[in-house]
Amino acid sequence: GIQVEQSPPDLILQEGANSTLRCNFSDSVNNLQWFHQNPWGQLINLFYIPSGTKQNGRLSATTVATERYSLLYISSSQTTDSGVYFCAVSPNAGNNRKLIWGLGTSLAVNP
Amino acid sequence: DGGITQSPKYLFRKEGQNVTLSCEQNLNHDAMYWYRQDPGQGLRLIYYSQIVNDFQKGDIAEGYSVSREKKESFPLTVTSAQKNPTAFYLCASIGGQGLDGYTFGSGTRLTVV
Repeated sequence: GIQVEQSPPDLILQEGANSTLRCNFSDSVNNLQWFHQNPWGQLINLFYIPSGTKQNGRLSATTVATERYSLLYISSSQTTDSGVYFCAVSPNAGNNRKLIWGLGTSLAVNP
Repeated sequence: DGGITQSPKYLFRKEGQNVTLSCEQNLNHDAMYWYRQDPGQGLRLIYYSQIVNDFQKGDIAEGYSVSREKKESFPLTVTSAQKNPTAFYLCASIGGQGLDGYTFGSGTRLTVV
């Protein structure tokens, strides 16, 4: 089945710093999403981005489908950005709502 | 406000017991999902349902059962056949034809004692 690899696994930032999180996937996808899980376990959908670039405030994401990767950019990080960032995909063949999840990038933003 | 409610937040199960985790949504979403999350891991799909009275096994369905008698509700039963049930369980839903708009509940942390 499709493999989803996220890097780095862990990241520590000082407040105000910028960062880039990466998601590589092993096969063509028709659905790619980025999620944030806060320290209390709540998951929030950040972006639906099977291709192209989107921005929402300090966060932006780019997916290059032909090269099978996606990037999540966090600018001017804040302590509230701490948590785990997950990339999840659906392969082209099959149910496009059935997500396969990476192991996540654990981000800690220090004041 | 619309959303997904999972209950209870914490649940303790004795060996050999069945327990049921509740998931209720008032978003009018058709599709609902149950995921399991172990420490340091991504989410793994247990069961999903795309319409009422229909559900499909996910990747780790053994030892679990579900029902979907109402659009709003998708309870998960962790049976005694699930040998390692201690985990964080998350319910999600999505509606319409789009692929964005996944909404998650706040989770249930199940511990075997």
